[in-house]
Amino acid sequence: GAVVSQHPSWVICKSGTSVKIECRSLDFQATTMFWYRQFPKQSLMLMATSNEGSKATYEQGVEKDKFLINHASLTLSTLTVTSAHPEDSSFYICRATGTEGAEAFFGQGTRLTVV
Amino acid sequence: GENVEQHPSTLSVQEGDSAVIKCTYSDSASNYFPWYKQELGKRPQLIIDIRSNVGEKKDQRIAVTLNKTAKHFSLHITETQPEDSAVYFCAASITHSGGSNYKLTFGKGTLLTVNP
Repeated sequence: GAVVSQHPSWVICKSGTSVKIECRSLDFQATTMFWYRQFPKQSLMLMATSNEGSKATYEQGVEKDKFLINHASLTLSTLTVTSAHPEDSSFYICRATGTEGAEAFFGQGTRLTVV
Repeated sequence: GENVEQHPSTLSVQEGDSAVIKCTYSDSASNYFPWYKQELGKRPQLIIDIRSNVGEKKDQRIAVTLNKTAKHFSLHITETQPEDSAVYFCAASITHSGGSNYKLTFGKGTLLTVNP
């Protein structure tokens, strides 16, 4: 199957700093990228959906100025958590889809810990 | 929007027994129902999926059934093995013309433990 590479796999940052998470589609063109957040022992909650070259669509309750999403190319999408706080500590995971009819693929996920 | 309920939240079975996880959905327009297995700290892995034009699908020890009228679908794992232990998530979405750029709504997950 296709590969979605997500980096970093884990990161620890200080409160107030920003963290950037990258997702790359290695062997297909990711026209749509979904970003999820998963708190311990909870389900995956969709944060936003981005289509290449367009502004992301955020789910209700997700602050677009805090979680910046860039999807400027068909192989790369980034999520930047700005001014991170301890409550932002979570598992962040991307899911990429390509051309119509293609299966969607998850990245490996990023464990963010804000101290 | 879509709401997916999943039960039970935890399930413990003996090796060799069967395990059943059930989900209900709210949006009658949903037509795609995947199941994912997630091991601790790892990405969800698609294990089986079903579309609304079929009532049942089977892949070796795993099967999924769908009742569109009642809006519920179930995952059945037979002859369970310790390596089946993981968190299982159901999901529902609306797809168009076989496309995959759809928004999935996940259930809350079921922690399955298979005891040797």
